[in-house]
Amino acid sequence: AQTVTQSQPEMSVQEAETVTLSCTYDTSESNYYLFWYKQPPSRQMILVIRQEAYKQQNATENRFSVNFQKAAKSFSLKISDSQLGDTAMYFCAFMSPLSGTYKYIFGTGTRLKVLA
Amino acid sequence: GAGVSQSPSNKVTEKGKDVELRCDPISGHTALYWYRQSLGQGLEFLIYFQGNSAPDKSGLPSDRFSAERTGGSVSTLTIQRTQQEDSAVYLCASSLVGLAATDTQYFGPGTRLTVL
Repeated sequence: AQTVTQSQPEMSVQEAETVTLSCTYDTSESNYYLFWYKQPPSRQMILVIRQEAYKQQNATENRFSVNFQKAAKSFSLKISDSQLGDTAMYFCAFMSPLSGTYKYIFGTGTRLKVLA
Repeated sequence: GAGVSQSPSNKVTEKGKDVELRCDPISGHTALYWYRQSLGQGLEFLIYFQGNSAPDKSGLPSDRFSAERTGGSVSTLTIQRTQQEDSAVYLCASSLVGLAATDTQYFGPGTRLTVL
């Protein structure tokens, strides 16, 4: 069974600095998709970035980028120029289309606090 | 357009009572997912609907949990004889097709269920 591990329950970063959130996963499959979601206090889950495993190029979305290491099964999220609005829970998620369903498997999350 | 909506936003009930949680997906989205987020935990998959196909109920924790999706749109998650361990945030998500591996799931704001 696939698992997703986020080993950092809480992190903090100064405004305008860079922070990296870690995520590792376990799977025997070669075709899968990885996601980072942000959950602010409003509880609304918002997609931050996604990565297809067959793509070697790391995904980027403005200030957000990933470091995808397929062999190491690692998928970290880098947030550059951190802003106060980035304060939230961040969840890493895995999805494999070969599983027969399209459910996401989530990690336990990292609570990020951006300090003024 | 409108996002995924859920009602009620908060629900407090007594142990042993039945509750119904409602999800309105984004119009035109054929796939619908229910997840449960317990305190300090990641999101746990409960059930998945795709079009007219039989739902994937593999994540439902017990036979007290059931869900239906009427007319391919609105979904209701029912918990019978609620227990205190059912206390959690119940999140609903929808996606455009559900069969394309790069589908993004859009989440609602969740229903916070408290069982006294």
